[in-house]
Amino acid sequence: GQNIDQPTEMTATEGAIVQINCTYQTSGFNGLFWYQQHAGEAPTFLSYNVLDGLEEKGRFSSFLSRSKGYSYLLLKELQMKDSASYLCAVSYYGGSQGNLIFGKGTKLSVKP
Amino acid sequence: NAGVMQNPRHLVRRRGQEARLRCSPMKGHSHVYWYRQLPEEGLKFMVYLQKENIIDESGMPKERFSAEFPKEGPSILRIQQVVRGDSAAYFCASSPGQGKAGELFFGEGSRLTVL
Repeated sequence: GQNIDQPTEMTATEGAIVQINCTYQTSGFNGLFWYQQHAGEAPTFLSYNVLDGLEEKGRFSSFLSRSKGYSYLLLKELQMKDSASYLCAVSYYGGSQGNLIFGKGTKLSVKP
Repeated sequence: NAGVMQNPRHLVRRRGQEARLRCSPMKGHSHVYWYRQLPEEGLKFMVYLQKENIIDESGMPKERFSAEFPKEGPSILRIQQVVRGDSAAYFCASSPGQGKAGELFFGEGSRLTVL
């Protein structure tokens, strides 16, 4: 089966660092994605990991451990506009292009 | 450069009516995907289409739901004889032919409410 787990909600303070974890159990894992979704808006692509390690892109970094079935998204220097839901998604062999399995999302609230 | 355009943004239907949701992909994109997001649930894949072809409909309910992406015009997701359980946000996404698998460009969604 395919399953993705991430915390439902998190709260952090402006200027701080927050780490959002994602664990997955997927047959034929073929890559992990993070998307950001502001309330009532479209999800937007943040990052893609297929090999173990850390991918850094500005204030956002994403880490993957394939052996542990684990990823995290790290957000540094938090800003109020980072308040959003963060969606972890995986692609898998046997699934067509664009057929991703999404977690339920982690709603991040950034407080002043 | 317009992004993925969906309409209507909000649609209200009574049980038994039909709902038609439209999606115009980003310019230059030939692959379209439909996802459904139920309240408090994650996005669920429904269907993947290229022009005039359904590539993967493994996530589509067997009855009442259909999708098309004609040679000309937008992709359409059609729900016949809607029921209350169809109330959800329906997101369309597009991608170019080649690129990072799974890097999808989403529209802002169509929110269907069934009374």
